[in-house]
Amino acid sequence: GENVEQHPSTLSVQEGDSAVIKCTYSDSASNYFPWYKQELGKRPQLIIDIRSNVGEKKDQRIAVTLNKTAKHFSLHITETQPEDSAVYFCAPGGGRFNNDMRFGAGTRLTVKP
Amino acid sequence: DAGVIQSPRHEVTEMGQEVTLRCKPISGHDYLFWYRQTMMRGLELLIYFNNNVPIDDSGMPEDRFSAKMPNASFSTLKIQPSEPRDSAVYFCASSLDRSSYEQYFGPGTRLTVT
Repeated sequence: GENVEQHPSTLSVQEGDSAVIKCTYSDSASNYFPWYKQELGKRPQLIIDIRSNVGEKKDQRIAVTLNKTAKHFSLHITETQPEDSAVYFCAPGGGRFNNDMRFGAGTRLTVKP
Repeated sequence: DAGVIQSPRHEVTEMGQEVTLRCKPISGHDYLFWYRQTMMRGLELLIYFNNNVPIDDSGMPEDRFSAKMPNASFSTLKIQPSEPRDSAVYFCASSLDRSSYEQYFGPGTRLTVT
């Protein structure tokens, strides 16, 4: 099945700084690259996604970039705010394996005011 | 639409008891997923259904776990007998497509087995 790795596992930044989380995957056939945010005690929710025919997508302070050759994609958060503190998961999909909706282990982001 | 609905929200039971978790997906979604989340193992896919048919149950930990989807608007995850190591948050999610569309998660059921 798909192997998914996220780095770093924890990230602490000062309010206003940028944060970058990287996700690597193994299935070269994957064509869908989402990022989910899970606040403490809440459910995961999609915050941004990208498909393989696009290299970058931006939505206000968040952006996702994709490098299909290297099989990784990244979440970028600019001008971080305390409410960005959460666990972020990547879940590459659309590939060749039946159970390819595998979530990464998560990155705990803490934004210090 | 009310989103994905799960019940109960919290369940506390004693070891050896049967536990049934329930899920109502978003109307019109053809895929339903059951996940388990723990600190140690993260978010694990247990099983998913397409049009009420189980497609991949390779994530189901053992025979004590079973899942059904008798119709398009209802699914259950059953644990019999339950064990303390089953304590976790169980999420149900639904989507239009297997893996290339947004998954909408329910609020989860926090299960504690004592």
